[in-house]
Amino acid sequence: LAKTTQPISMDSYEGQEVNITCSHNNIATNDYITWYQQFPSQGPRFIIQGYKTKVTNEVASLFIPADRKSSTLSLPRVSLSDTAVYYCLVGGWNQGGKLIFGQGTELSVKP
Amino acid sequence: EAQVTQNPRYLITVTGKKLTVTCSQNMNHEYMSWYRQDPGLGLRQIYYSMNVEVTDKGDVPEGYKVSRKEKRNFPLILESPSPNQTSLYFCASSFAGGLSSYNEQFFGPGTRLTVL
Repeated sequence: LAKTTQPISMDSYEGQEVNITCSHNNIATNDYITWYQQFPSQGPRFIIQGYKTKVTNEVASLFIPADRKSSTLSLPRVSLSDTAVYYCLVGGWNQGGKLIFGQGTELSVKP
Repeated sequence: EAQVTQNPRYLITVTGKKLTVTCSQNMNHEYMSWYRQDPGLGLRQIYYSMNVEVTDKGDVPEGYKVSRKEKRNFPLILESPSPNQTSLYFCASSFAGGLSSYNEQFFGPGTRLTVL
């Protein structure tokens, strides 16, 4: 199972673009990369998922280089409400259902 | 409304007193999973189930039991709780797609358990 490494915390200001990178050196061929967002006292919520290159939705973009050993979650023009913990998850059903979340990155957005 | 529900949301108990935390989903998901969350350790998987009557150990299964008799329910059982099981617990569910895919998990609101 691919182990992930993320920065423990990051600070930003409102209106800035935030990039959070996740390292996953032993990612398997069939693994997908998924990011979740978690607010205090709530369950994590799905943000975005990708396999390779770039994926964009209404909330974020996900950049995955060709070797897939890392990925970067990009949040454009963050606001105070983006203050949360962001988790990178690498895996897929080919692993039989066992999933390992990273420790998460605590993003603090200041006014 | 599509959701994952957990009960109770808060529980304070004493060492050794058996307890069950229930989890139910109304999305007809095959996959269900339990996680515990502790400060500085992120989310750690306890047990998971790919379908009815199929369960398997996650990363930290010691001290826990689960069962999957119906598709919608996946209770977490602590036969003899200990203080080191004090934690925030999340249940999650998902469709279990093809072997080369992964489907987003929907998480419940969490159960905060304190074992004295």
